[in-house]
Amino acid sequence: GAVVSQHPSRVICKSGTSVKIECRSLDFQATTMFWYRQFPKKSLMLMATSNEGSKATYEQGVEKDKFLINHASLTLSTLTVTSAHPEDSSFYICSARDYRTGGIHTQYFGPGTRLTVL
Amino acid sequence: AQKITQTQPGMFVQEKEAVTLDCTYDTSDPSYGLFWYKQPSSGEMIFLIYQGSYDQQNATEGRYSLNFQKARKSANLVISASQLGDSAMYFCAIGSSGSARQLTFGSGTQLTVLP
Repeated sequence: GAVVSQHPSRVICKSGTSVKIECRSLDFQATTMFWYRQFPKKSLMLMATSNEGSKATYEQGVEKDKFLINHASLTLSTLTVTSAHPEDSSFYICSARDYRTGGIHTQYFGPGTRLTVL
Repeated sequence: AQKITQTQPGMFVQEKEAVTLDCTYDTSDPSYGLFWYKQPSSGEMIFLIYQGSYDQQNATEGRYSLNFQKARKSANLVISASQLGDSAMYFCAIGSSGSARQLTFGSGTQLTVLP
């Protein structure tokens, strides 16, 4: 089946620094990717929808200047957490839609990135 | 707007028994899809089963079946013959047929399979 990778899987950074998380679709093209955030023992909350070649669409309450999303190619979307603070510590998961097969259920999740801000 | 409600924060089941995880939904979209995902402690989201709103038959995938009751807006997951490896968090999600097709997730149910 289709594979989505995320890098890094785990990152620890100091408060005030920026962290970039990559999401790649390995064997299919993804014109749309989604970024979710998950706190411990909680559900996945959609942060933004990333569209190749255009600006991301952010959900209400998500700071677009803090969570920069770039979708420069059909296989890569990046999420940059700028000036990270301890409250940004979370599990970030991306997903990608496979447009080859179409349909609502062709969405694949990456393995997630655990961010810890000290 | 779409909403998923999972009312069971935690469930226990004996190994080899069947278990039902509840999920109700609310949507104004005439066409939508319902999903169940498993999330083990490693964090990866594992797709289990999908049900389209216009599908006449309940979806089945191996030991997983989805009890879809459209009038009641429920999409319960039934796991038959539970195994120890089924212990995980389970999320129900809904996706619209719109262009973005992002998913809205429920709060999840932590399933523990007892030996």
